[in-house]
Amino acid sequence: AQRVTQPEKLLSVFKGAPVELKCNYSYSGSPELFWYVQYSRQRLQLLLRHISRESIKGFTADLNKGETSFHLKKPFAQEEDSAMYYCALKSGGGADGLTFGKGTHLIIQP
Amino acid sequence: EAGVAQSPRYKIIEKRQSVAFWCNPISGHATLYWYQQILGQGPKLLIQFQNNGVVDDSQLPKDRFSAERLKGVDSTLKIQPAKLEDSAVYLCASSLVGGYRTGELFFGEGSRLTVL
Repeated sequence: AQRVTQPEKLLSVFKGAPVELKCNYSYSGSPELFWYVQYSRQRLQLLLRHISRESIKGFTADLNKGETSFHLKKPFAQEEDSAMYYCALKSGGGADGLTFGKGTHLIIQP
Repeated sequence: EAGVAQSPRYKIIEKRQSVAFWCNPISGHATLYWYQQILGQGPKLLIQFQNNGVVDDSQLPKDRFSAERLKGVDSTLKIQPAKLEDSAVYLCASSLVGGYRTGELFFGEGSRLTVL
């Protein structure tokens, strides 16, 4: 069965410090991974996907198949990065609903 | 562009009562999903529709939950009878062409259910 693990429920860092939100997955096939974000009083929305290898709002994430990880990183945190972050894994085939981790609440302190 | 619409936003019921949630996806989105998010957890997929057909309902508790998308647009999720453990936010999401190319789901604001 596929599973997504986010070991940190809460992560607090100071503005300007580096941020790393951890995500590990368990999946027997070829994984497709995503990070979703929910800012206060806003809807859950896509932040980035591993296949695009893009940087969004300064965040990047690299898929490491050897370590089955997809950690989210940003070199310099900003106060507006405070939010709930969810790592998600897409199942293969026709059913492509996402399996989400429990989420990490990121707080950026001034 | 109008987003995914859900109603009601909040609902409080007693256990063993029934409740229904409604979702209107983004226009043109063929795929619609219902997720359940219990406090402190990530969203859990309940059911996925492609147009008006069910693609995946493996995690839907079918003894009490039902969902339909009769005309391939709006959808309704029903719980009957409700249990205390059904207290959660019910999220509706939609995507283009099953979302398999982008993995981008567009979420509604959710319907928060409290079962007393």
